[in-house]
Amino acid sequence: AQSVTQPDIHITVSEGASLELRCNYSYGATPYLFWYVQSPGQGLQLLLKYFSGDTLVQGIKGFEAEFKRSQSSFNLRKPSVHWSDAAEYFCAVGETGANNLFFGTGTRLTIIP
Amino acid sequence: DAGITQSPRYKITETGRQVTLMCHQTWSHSYMFWYRQDLGHGLRLIYYSAAADITDKGEVPDGYVVSRSKTENFPLTLESATRSQTSVYFCASRPGTSGSANEQFFGPGTRLTVL
Repeated sequence: AQSVTQPDIHITVSEGASLELRCNYSYGATPYLFWYVQSPGQGLQLLLKYFSGDTLVQGIKGFEAEFKRSQSSFNLRKPSVHWSDAAEYFCAVGETGANNLFFGTGTRLTIIP
Repeated sequence: DAGITQSPRYKITETGRQVTLMCHQTWSHSYMFWYRQDLGHGLRLIYYSAAADITDKGEVPDGYVVSRSKTENFPLTLESATRSQTSVYFCASRPGTSGSANEQFFGPGTRLTVL
């Protein structure tokens, strides 16, 4: 069965600092990988996704993520965070033949001045 | 307005009452989903639908009923609400092609409190 692990429940970063949010998955073949962001009181918005090809994918708002098959990871990065990046971030995994996604438990990002 | 909408946005009800949460999408997406979001659990799938009149259980279906008579609507009913069903409920939709490789589009959520 698929599983998605986001080991960091809460991360605090200074504005302007770099960010890396971790995501590990458990799945045999090449999964479909997603990062979503949820601002307070809002629904989820897609940041980026990986299906195949180049393992470094670019997303919206200056985010990128790298798929590392050997580590079963899909970590989200941003070189310089802005106060508006404060939100909850969810990693999700899909698979061939499946209809739905499996979500991690989320990482809450706090930005300090 | 185009997109995916949920109503009501906030609902307070009492244990044992029936509650229906509405979801409407204007994209004609074939797939629709209901999730609940709870602290420490992330999003868990309750039910999904591949097309009108086709529904299937997700991870946590007990206590919930869904129907899909029209492509654009996917209501979720709590037949007899319990306190454990206090949660934030999200509806999502996606096109039918490419399976789960397709992005899901989420509604704004309904915050349900069961007293």
